[in-house]
Amino acid sequence: NAGVTQTPKFRILKIGQSMTLQCAQDMNHNYMYWYRQDPGMGLKLIYYSVGAGITDKGEVPNGYNVSRSTTEDFPLRLELAAPSQTSVYFCASSYGLVGGYQETQYFGPGTRLLVL
Amino acid sequence: GEDVEQSLFLSVREGDSSVINCTYTDSSSTYLYWYKQEPGAGLQLLTYIFSNMDMKQDQRLTVLLNKKDKHLSLRIADTQTGDSAIYFCAEGYGGATNKLIFGTGTLLAVQP
Repeated sequence: NAGVTQTPKFRILKIGQSMTLQCAQDMNHNYMYWYRQDPGMGLKLIYYSVGAGITDKGEVPNGYNVSRSTTEDFPLRLELAAPSQTSVYFCASSYGLVGGYQETQYFGPGTRLLVL
Repeated sequence: GEDVEQSLFLSVREGDSSVINCTYTDSSSTYLYWYKQEPGAGLQLLTYIFSNMDMKQDQRLTVLLNKKDKHLSLRIADTQTGDSAIYFCAEGYGGATNKLIFGTGTLLAVQP
């Protein structure tokens, strides 16, 4: 298994540009998550999904959109990039609740985004 | 709201034990996690503990949970230079969705 993969590894955007961060997992996980990590800070949840066709907002959703048309893919869209969106973005996935226990989240390697 | 706090830095000598501390606020958390992040890499799950446990040991790692004080610690025995990384504690909330709240991370610097 490749686990959780993310593309691109890094990107430089100009203010106002748009882009899509790709995330894919081959573990047949139902749950997928997008986090951002600002310098010196912990991770903040942007959006999450509990299955294909179902998405919900996390702590910091403003300026982002997501979709979940398949179990494997969970792209994150930035429509009008702003300097405040400069960050490292991590995608994660998990089975969710299994036998009453919460399964752990597996993280991708991250995408570094710089907005100038 | 939920909050997870950690000290930012810890420096130890190779071979010593490291203890990384974390405090959290949500007493309804079911699981508490420790993740490791090496430079330029994603987060790697180290270990986790269920909230009804006091201690969990996994090779060189020992997790202690004081639920009354909402205090979690990670002890690394015989710390090696390869243990140098940022360590994040996280609490799981949100029931079935297993959303995580992360601390700011503790940078562990291991000196030879």
